[in-house]
Amino acid sequence: NAGVTQTPKFRVLKTGQSMTLLCAQDMNHEYMYWYRQDPGMGLRLIHYSVGEGTTAKGEVPDGYNVSRLKKQNFLLGLESAAPSQTSVYFCASSLSGGGTGELFFGEGSRLTVL
Amino acid sequence: GESVGLHLPTLSVQEGDNSIINCAYSNSASDYFIWYKQESGKGPQFIIDIRSNMDKRQGQRVTVLLNKTVKHLSLQIAATQPGDSAVYFCAETRLGNYKLTFGKGTLLTVNP
Repeated sequence: NAGVTQTPKFRVLKTGQSMTLLCAQDMNHEYMYWYRQDPGMGLRLIHYSVGEGTTAKGEVPDGYNVSRLKKQNFLLGLESAAPSQTSVYFCASSLSGGGTGELFFGEGSRLTVL
Repeated sequence: GESVGLHLPTLSVQEGDNSIINCAYSNSASDYFIWYKQESGKGPQFIIDIRSNMDKRQGQRVTVLLNKTVKHLSLQIAATQPGDSAVYFCAETRLGNYKLTFGKGTLLTVNP
């Protein structure tokens, strides 16, 4: 069982470039999340999904878009990258929703925007 | 605004000792709390959770204590081992709300 897999693990972008982070989970979880982690700020929720075809904004959604076309995949897009988006991005999934239960995290994607 | 904070950013203990990691929360409406462990270069890993109708919950070598009166949460690790070295985060939410608010983390270092 791979759990939650994120690709790519590392990426360097120039300001204004676009990219997509892919998250895949093989646990048949309904709920998926994208977080960013910055030094001294803990994890902050960007967007989340409560099922295939649904997405919702989290705490820091500006500058990001997401899609959940398939239950097992949750994509995070940056249309025009900015240096402020330099961060480590974590995808997570959970069996139960509504804030309860365990979140299963991927190993992270480190993004640097120059 | 509402936030989850930690009393100590770093904690250093000897192998075999008990560790206590503290967390203060300010949102009195929060009713569900979770502790996560994050090892270097990895994603956070769930340790234990507790609902606001409880004041104590035990797991394997870990105990979480919740004091709603002073809005305080703690994680106790018994017989701390080198493998426990990591950053520990507390997180809070309201049941039914998908947004977890994470604290900034405490770095636990276990000395052999």
